[in-house]
Amino acid sequence: KAGVTQTPRYLIKTRGQQVTLSCSPISGHRSVSWYQQTPGQGLQFLFEYFSETQRNKGNFPGRFSGRQFSNSRSEMNVSTLELGDSALYLCASSSAGNRADTQYFGPGTRLTVL
Amino acid sequence: QQQVKQSPQSLIVQKGGISIINCAYENTAFDYFPWYQQFPGKGPALLIAIRPDVSEKKEGRFTISFNKSAKQFSLHIMDSQPGDSATYFCAASKYNNDMRFGAGTRLTVKP
Repeated sequence: KAGVTQTPRYLIKTRGQQVTLSCSPISGHRSVSWYQQTPGQGLQFLFEYFSETQRNKGNFPGRFSGRQFSNSRSEMNVSTLELGDSALYLCASSSAGNRADTQYFGPGTRLTVL
Repeated sequence: QQQVKQSPQSLIVQKGGISIINCAYENTAFDYFPWYQQFPGKGPALLIAIRPDVSEKKEGRFTISFNKSAKQFSLHIMDSQPGDSATYFCAASKYNNDMRFGAGTRLTVKP
């Protein structure tokens, strides 16, 4: 099985712009979670989607949003970019529905905001 | 709000030695406790995971010890090798895959 894929791998944007990141989960996985990783804050949970519904959301401002499509692919959008949004954005997929289970991570998208 | 506390922040071990990383959690709703290994430029990769109904799980050189009453769990890496040098994250997850990570431990195994 192919692993979790994320596109693009690298992105450079300027303050005030918006960005959309894409994640394709492992085939058959219906849960997709997004995380932000920075040297200062570590790995932080953004949100999780299951069957096109956002089930849970971390403590991030409304500028961070996401969605999931019927094929389980997910996108994450960040509007009005700030310098502090520079980070590695990781997507993870899981087959679990109503029980926590293994999450498999993609390689991440490195976002740099100038 | 840090829900999973991990220590130490960094660890240096000689080749062949035992590496021990500890984590403590607060929320008793967590029911899945994985450990991830991350190399520079890569996403975290699952090493081993445990559920709270088991006190220990071993896979090769990696062992998780779990103490439900103390709300603590630890990773032991036996016969540590230079290739094990990486950052290790403990995590705790609830039923809806809301996973909270520890701050990470940078392990260096010296030859």
